[in-house]
Amino acid sequence: DAKTTQPNSMESNEEEPVHLPCNHSTISGTDYIHWYRQLPSQGPEYVIHGLTSNVNNRMASLAIAEDRKSSTLILHRATLRDAAVYYCILRTNTGNQFYFGTGTSLTVIP
Amino acid sequence: GAVVSQHPSRVICKSGTSVKIECRSLDFQATTMFWYRQFPKKSLMLMATSNEGSKATYEQGVEKDKFLINHASLTLSTLTVTSAHPEDSSFYICSAQRGTGTSGRAYEQYFGPGTRLTVT
Repeated sequence: DAKTTQPNSMESNEEEPVHLPCNHSTISGTDYIHWYRQLPSQGPEYVIHGLTSNVNNRMASLAIAEDRKSSTLILHRATLRDAAVYYCILRTNTGNQFYFGTGTSLTVIP
Repeated sequence: GAVVSQHPSRVICKSGTSVKIECRSLDFQATTMFWYRQFPKKSLMLMATSNEGSKATYEQGVEKDKFLINHASLTLSTLTVTSAHPEDSSFYICSAQRGTGTSGRAYEQYFGPGTRLTVT
């Protein structure tokens, strides 16, 4: 299973941008990069995904390195509701299974 | 948007009994569902992949005779924890994949709210 590495925890001030890094040096050419987040005692929630190009949606932006060995999830203005564990996941284009890493616990400071 | 429900949300059972957890996709058909377990302050661990009308595929180390999975319809998958023991206490989460294929959004997984199992 392709592995991802994320910092265990990060802090951000409210209304400031947050950059959550993810290393995936063993990524293969057909692996998609997915980001999900999980609030306490809830199931994960989709945030964004990408393959090679940077992606934007209403929740966040995803910046993918040119060699695809790392990516960064960008929350443009952190709110208290963004406090969660953020998971960076690699999905193969065959079985569609998700193998979760340890994730980054984001704390947003008012 | 795609909604996945789980029932029950929490259950307490005695050691040695069996517990069934239901996972339903409410507004879409899910050809594939996944079951995960999550221990406190740990990440989600994939247990099995469930395809409608066929046997589930279990991850290495997951006992298929202990964790029975049935995916009898395109909107329902069930996980039965048989002869539960305290070490089976965990947060069980299902997800459903809408449609088939690997391109577009077909592969996106929609997660249920989870079921907290406590075995006494």
